Amino acid sequence: DQQVKQNSPSLSVQEGRISILNCDYTNSMFDYFLWYKKYPAEGPTFLISISSIKDKNEDGRFTVFLNKSAKHLSLHIVPSQPGDSAVYFCAASPNSGYALNFGKGTSLLVTP
Amino acid sequence: KAGVTQTPRYLIKTRGQQVTLSCSPISGHRSVSWYQQTPGQGLQFLFEYFSETQRNKGNFPGRFSGRQFSNSRSEMNVSTLELGDSALYLCASSYQDEQFFGPGTRLTVL
Repeated sequence: DQQVKQNSPSLSVQEGRISILNCDYTNSMFDYFLWYKKYPAEGPTFLISISSIKDKNEDGRFTVFLNKSAKHLSLHIVPSQPGDSAVYFCAASPNSGYALNFGKGTSLLVTP
Repeated sequence: KAGVTQTPRYLIKTRGQQVTLSCSPISGHRSVSWYQQTPGQGLQFLFEYFSETQRNKGNFPGRFSGRQFSNSRSEMNVSTLELGDSALYLCASSYQDEQFFGPGTRLTVL
């Protein structure tokens, strides 16, 4: 039973434009959400997180938005760069960061 | 600081065998979690250990087990391997709210 869903397996964006990656969850007990980036042959790398008491968190070019009523979060990358090309995983947890439930990932390709 | 290390990086086994994977967390991290990544199911949580005790467990059969040692190093064991166990097994060590992942062990079951 997939409690975290990333419905777009892939996304292609031009360099300099905005990349928007979406994630939906079903478990209302989740209160901590994270985004990870993964390159081939490497483990996932933490990107940004947000707790349920916030609706937005920003870190440089990366912003995560949380809509609790819709059980939806999104990751915005502005401006997108070719080095951002990777698989992005959304994850959620009912507590601070342990026993993460992951989505299946969205493969982002940023073209020059 | 050295990152999370996992050994071996690649492993080939046959059905029915058992396998042990090892994970060394970042120095000072006391929590270690294990995940299985497959193309069909994505990343799925196996279990988490903290101070040598299993603190959380995912929805995997009893063939999957783990343990943690006093130096926080962790091992996971899979007995009676099945073809469907072929996957990338990722270990993550945690400090406060952030999990740091190792490069994974690629297990192939023939």
